[in-house]
Formats: sequence, C-alpha cells, structure tokens
Amino acid sequence: DTAVSQTPKYLVTQMGNDKSIKCEQNLGHDTMYWYKQDSKKFLKIMFSYNNKELIINETVPNRFSPKSPDKAHLNLHINSLELGDSAVYFCASSPGGAGYEQYFGPGTRLTVT
Amino acid sequence: AQSVTQPDIHITVSEGASLELRCNYSYGATPYLFWYVQSPGQGLQLLLKYFSGDTLVQGIKGFEAEFKRSQSSFNLRKPSVHWSDAAEYFCAVGGKTSYDKVIFGPGTSLSVIP
Repeated sequence: DTAVSQTPKYLVTQMGNDKSIKCEQNLGHDTMYWYKQDSKKFLKIMFSYNNKELIINETVPNRFSPKSPDKAHLNLHINSLELGDSAVYFCASSPGGAGYEQYFGPGTRLTVT
Repeated sequence: AQSVTQPDIHITVSEGASLELRCNYSYGATPYLFWYVQSPGQGLQLLLKYFSGDTLVQGIKGFEAEFKRSQSSFNLRKPSVHWSDAAEYFCAVGGKTSYDKVIFGPGTSLSVIP
C-alpha cells in the first residue's frame, strides 16, 4: 500500500487553465503539506494543514488554493496557470508538527506551456 | 532567520570510498534536524533525524550524522558508498510544533563512479 499518493504524476497544460492535484495518505497522520520543488531542486513549503485546519500559508499567489476535505486528503487547486508554475509539487504528511519526520508522495510534475 | 546551507552543490565519489556531506543551520530554538534523500523521479525519504540525546545518530542504508551544536552543523557520513547512493541529499531543520516550518537546504547532488 502506498503511504502517500498523488494524482496525477504528470500534468501538462496551457497557460490560463485551471488544474487540481490530489493527495491522499493512509498513515493516519494529522498533518499534511504541499511543497514546490523548482528546476534547481530547491524545495519550498507552500501550505500545511493540521486536522483539516490551515496552519501554514506561505507567500503563495492566491491562485493556489488548498482544500482538505478530511484528515487523509489534501488537494491543491491552481487557477489561471502561468509558465512560472511549472515545477514538481510534493505532498507530504507527518504525525505531528515540524519536529516529526515527513513522508513524501512521489510528486506531480506540472508543465505549463 | 532560520536557514540551512549545504556548501557542496555537487559531489562525486568513487564506489567504496567514504562520504561526508556538509550541513550548517541557523535556528533560534532547539533544532530538530533531518537528512532526506531523493532518488531521480522520486519523493524524499528520511535517512535519519536528530531530536536530542546522543549527538551521533544512525540512519538507514548505513548512513550516520553528527550534531555539533558549537558549529551549528549536522554532517552526513557513510563509510563506503554504493552506486545506488547516487541521489540528491537534503538537510532540513524544524521546530517542535505544527506552526513551525521545516526549512530545507538547497541539496547536494551525489554522483558515484565505478
């Protein structure tokens, strides 16, 4: 069983479109995250949810909107996609806060043309 | 400000040689320190972590790391590298609560030559 899964794995779309990435964890963790990894492999946190409550909201354009329907799911919706949104997006979960290890999904490679 | 630096962008070692990847951090409180590995096309996987206690921590795949508070360092070591260790390595620092962010370093890319 995959601990943290993301769909889709690849996403190619045109500028201006709206797209969503889904994430599910079956570890029973309370905290979930979205990270963005750019072309230089730099990893930056975007959002963190704890028990469906938004805890961390980094300086991210409001075109990005996370949604957590329940503790096991954290989806990322992106409106009006731009070229600069091209990156790999990782979902992760942990049993607690930043002091706990995080379990990462396989990533979604988003390419905006 | 909280930060993590990994001075080496890319390292190449021969298979069987020893390895040390450097990590320095800046953190206002007691740090929780991590090393993660990312194989090509994969997500990150935890190698080891330090919370408190013994400053030499053992991890998976034969890796270890030593916490040196006086030097604000948490260097990763392996006595004998295998070809399968070729990957990207990330050092990270975090706090205790859900409101603390985990800060990742820029990563060190490891190549292993036969």
